[in-house]
Amino acid sequence: DSGVTQTPKHLITATGQRVTLRCSPRSGDLSVYWYQQSLDQGLQFLIQYYNGEERAKGNILERFSAQQFPDLHSELNLSSLELGDSALYFCASSRGPGQGTGELFFGEGSRLTVL
Amino acid sequence: AQKVTQAQTEISVVEKEDVTLDCVYETRDTTYYLFWYKQPPSGELVFLIRRNSFDEQNEISGRYSWNFQKSTSSFNFTITASQVVDSAVYFCALGTSYDKVIFGPGTSLSVIP
Repeated sequence: DSGVTQTPKHLITATGQRVTLRCSPRSGDLSVYWYQQSLDQGLQFLIQYYNGEERAKGNILERFSAQQFPDLHSELNLSSLELGDSALYFCASSRGPGQGTGELFFGEGSRLTVL
Repeated sequence: AQKVTQAQTEISVVEKEDVTLDCVYETRDTTYYLFWYKQPPSGELVFLIRRNSFDEQNEISGRYSWNFQKSTSSFNFTITASQVVDSAVYFCALGTSYDKVIFGPGTSLSVIP
């Protein structure tokens, strides 16, 4: 158990809809990262928050947004969903702000299916 | 360009065989970090090891060992006496700067009893 909690574990929705994925980082971790894993794109970094502020941005679509709240949990909002958004969405956390230098602790992921 | 290549998409071995997962990376940075993560069927990615670019010493942890060779830009992972529980997707990753990590496409390992 990594200590990172993601909800929901599974989500099925229709095209055009909006969903929110939630992540609680490991106790004491200030950074939260969102990744998208799909069969054709592999593991893609979306966005990082550190202590409430956006820290780094990856391949995140404009239809997607995220935020980190004062209690350090984070939400990833996906809107105007398309079939291609079907994927496994991971949240990860780390103690410090450096994604590229330290160990990341991953949650179990939220599997999104868009029909 | 910064890139991680895992040329082996899928590997199948019989239990107790040794298996090596290849990882080749590209970066122009002189300081970088290399990682291996395991993704079992349950889905969660689990950290296995981190190596910085200045430490080429190989590492062994139980049945797992890692061979880092800067001369060939490789960071290979060997599982000795494989077990069914080793069946998973294994990702090699490259941390090229404070804010960026690049994952390879992964190698799916199946250990057959």
